[in-house]
Amino acid sequence: QQPVQSPQAVILREGEDAVINCSSSKALYSVHWYRQKHGEAPVFLMILLKGGEQKGHEKISASFNEKKQQSSLYLTASQLSYSGTYFCGTEGGSGGGADGLTFGKGTHLIIQP
Amino acid sequence: DSGVTQTPKHLITATGQRVTLRCSPRSGDLSVYWYQQSLDQGLQFLIHYYNGEERAKGNILERFSAQQFPDLHSELNLSSLELGDSALYFCASSVGKGEQFFGPGTRLTVL
Repeated sequence: QQPVQSPQAVILREGEDAVINCSSSKALYSVHWYRQKHGEAPVFLMILLKGGEQKGHEKISASFNEKKQQSSLYLTASQLSYSGTYFCGTEGGSGGGADGLTFGKGTHLIIQP
Repeated sequence: DSGVTQTPKHLITATGQRVTLRCSPRSGDLSVYWYQQSLDQGLQFLIHYYNGEERAKGNILERFSAQQFPDLHSELNLSSLELGDSALYFCASSVGKGEQFFGPGTRLTVL
């Protein structure tokens, strides 16, 4: 089942912070975060695994609440280059990477100078 | 640059035709995933191959098929194309589990 992302869109001034949320109705093994610019491929930002392991870019932070099946992506001191659509992709079950990711509909982020 | 390559970049064809999309994973990655992205359906998982074997199927139509070759490159075959098959097709590769790295995609237009 498709995870739900919120907000659908957000407009920020450069330097402001943003939080993007991802919520699932099923038990999750991992949550993956991607940023996609128009016409380009999704770019990997962060993976959060059941049990607390995280891997991703140094300047990106995120959380994963396993009990609530929720994840949040924190963007601080936003830069113009942060603009794009952010997707969370979820993996359920016991993980292992067999099943592909189920993606949310995305959050559109616009950073203004 | 993710290290994943896809060809062709653009493909324009007519309804009823058959096309093949090609993907080369990052060096050392054994898994290849195929995704379809369209405005109405979003980003959807189609199929996953690991070291030459099919591991999982997602929302893949029966008209679509894929395979992964001994050199680990993968091909997605789309047949009896319909207007609704117009979309961006991405492949992504990973070592086996964990982060997936997406290729630049193939934009398919069916006229």
